[in-house]
Amino acid sequence: GAVVSQHPSWVICKSGTSVKIECRSLDFQATTMFWYRQFPKQSLMLMATSNEGSKATYEQGVEKDKFLINHASLTLSTLTVTSAHPEDSSFYICSAEARNTGELFFGEGSRLTVL
Amino acid sequence: AQSVTQPDIHITVSEGASLELRCNYSYGATPYLFWYVQSPGQGLQLLLKYFSGDTLVQGIKGFEAEFKRSQSSFNLRKPSVHWSDAAEYFCAVGVDAGGTSYGKLTFGQGTILTVHP
Repeated sequence: GAVVSQHPSWVICKSGTSVKIECRSLDFQATTMFWYRQFPKQSLMLMATSNEGSKATYEQGVEKDKFLINHASLTLSTLTVTSAHPEDSSFYICSAEARNTGELFFGEGSRLTVL
Repeated sequence: AQSVTQPDIHITVSEGASLELRCNYSYGATPYLFWYVQSPGQGLQLLLKYFSGDTLVQGIKGFEAEFKRSQSSFNLRKPSVHWSDAAEYFCAVGVDAGGTSYGKLTFGQGTILTVHP
């Protein structure tokens, strides 16, 4: 089946630094990618929708200047957490919508810990 | 606004027993409904989906789900659970879905399944 790869799988950073998480569709083209955040023992909350070549659409309450999303190609979207703080520690998951079928495939997630 | 409720946070069953995970949704339009499974260290895997047509949907790994519009439910069932089914299960509704596009997914809180030998 289709594969979506996230990198890094886990990252620890100091407060105030920025962290970039990559989401790649390995064997299909993705016109749309979605970024979710999952707190422990909670559900996935949609943060933003990114379309290739255009600005991301953020959900209500998500700071666009803090969570920078870039979708430069049909196989890559990146999420940059800027000036990270401990409250940004979470599990970030991306999903990619296959261009030709509309199916959604999920990455394995990236765990961010901010010290 | 759309929402998905999974009333059971944690369910424990014995291996070989039957399973039903509950899901209720609230959505103003015709719902696209999904069940995903999440195992530690792995991404969400689609078990099955309902877009239209037959309200009893068959999925992978022996799972099935039934869409009941009158009850706004989409419960997941399996007749005989295997130890490898232990995982967390999420029900979701697709917002602005259409054709083959899933749309943006709104997830329920998840149900953790524990399987006793």
